Amino acid sequence: AQRVTQPEKLLSVFKGAPVELKCNYSYSGSPELFWYVQYSRQRLQLLLRHISRESIKGFTADLNKGETSFHLKKPFAQEEDSAMYYCALIQSWAGNMLTFGGGTRLMVKP
Amino acid sequence: NAGVTQTPKFRVLKTGQSMTLLCAQDMNHEYMYWYRQDPGMGLRLIHYSVGEGTTAKGEVPDGYNVSRLKKQNFLLGLESAAPSQTSVYFCASSLPPGRGNNQPQHFGDGTRLSIL
Repeated sequence: AQRVTQPEKLLSVFKGAPVELKCNYSYSGSPELFWYVQYSRQRLQLLLRHISRESIKGFTADLNKGETSFHLKKPFAQEEDSAMYYCALIQSWAGNMLTFGGGTRLMVKP
Repeated sequence: NAGVTQTPKFRVLKTGQSMTLLCAQDMNHEYMYWYRQDPGMGLRLIHYSVGEGTTAKGEVPDGYNVSRLKKQNFLLGLESAAPSQTSVYFCASSLPPGRGNNQPQHFGDGTRLSIL
């Protein structure tokens, strides 16, 4: 069965430090993965998707099929990056339903 | 352009009461979803719909029913609320996949539901 694991519930870093939010997945097919972010009192919104291979707000994520990982990285964290981050796997054969990880709360301290 | 709108935003129910959560989207999306969000468990899919008049079960469908009578609306019903259904409920919508490209989901603000 498909599964998404985010091993860290909380990640606390200082402003300017590098950030890596971990995401591992298990999926029998060809995976398509997303990172969603939820800022305080805001709705969940798409941050980036692996097929786009883009950088959004300084964040990047590379799909590593060998390690079944899709870690989210940013070289220099900003206070406004503080939020809840969710890694998600899409299942195209089931109405595009998303399987989410448990989420990681990122706190960037001044 | 409101996107995905959920009503109500908050509700407190007593065990055994029933209620319906409403989700409306104005983006002409075919697909709609209901998730629940619980601490440490991320979002889990309750039910989803790939078009008007169709619904399907997600990961945690028990205790919930849904209806998609109109393309823009997706209703989530609790027939007999239980304390285990205390959660934050999120609705989302998306376009269907096109040319092998899966479309991202757009989320509402959520409904915080407490069952006493």
